[in-house]
Amino acid sequence: GESVGLHLPTLSVQEGDNSIINCAYSNSASDYFIWYKQESGKGPQFIIDIRSNMDKRQGQRVTVLLNKTVKHLSLQIAATQPGDSAVYFCAESYSGGGADGLTFGKGTHLIIQP
Amino acid sequence: DSGVTQTPKHLITATGQRVTLRCSPRSGDLSVYWYQQSLDQGLQFLIQYYNGEERAKGNILERFSAQQFPDLHSELNLSSLELGDSALYFCASSTTGYTGELFFGEGSRLTVL
Repeated sequence: GESVGLHLPTLSVQEGDNSIINCAYSNSASDYFIWYKQESGKGPQFIIDIRSNMDKRQGQRVTVLLNKTVKHLSLQIAATQPGDSAVYFCAESYSGGGADGLTFGKGTHLIIQP
Repeated sequence: DSGVTQTPKHLITATGQRVTLRCSPRSGDLSVYWYQQSLDQGLQFLIQYYNGEERAKGNILERFSAQQFPDLHSELNLSSLELGDSALYFCASSTTGYTGELFFGEGSRLTVL
């Protein structure tokens, strides 16, 4: 079936370095993508989203890149800080498929080394 | 704070029992979603309501049911509980019933012993 998945379950980076979290999706009809951050004991929090008519979108210290050709999504976090330690989920949806919520990947645990 | 409120935060019960989880969406949001998060399955979509009506169903077991009330709060009922039902249950809300940002509550952690 269609699914959204992540390449790496754990990513460890040095504080101050840039982080790149990758995500592959298999539903070529998906037209909306979101990155969520989930800190321990909390619910997922929205980070940034992108629609399929865009290749890149920037937020504060974060950038999402979408490559529809290879169905790949990435989240770049600049100058990572200890507060960035969390599990990051990518999620996809297809606006023409009805209101069935977002399909989430399994998550990547980002660990920031001091 | 997302504005979505879930109660209870923690719940411990025994197999075969029934529990009800409650969710109050953000003010003005008409749509409520329920997700289950377990260690091996990630976030799984269960069901969605929009303005009191069921809008979509995901991987929700027949032992589970939900409803959305006129004041827009929602309840997820879990019955004949099994050990495997132990998980975090999240409620999320959004303004519309279609694609867009979902705002998640802090979750209800259910432990079935």
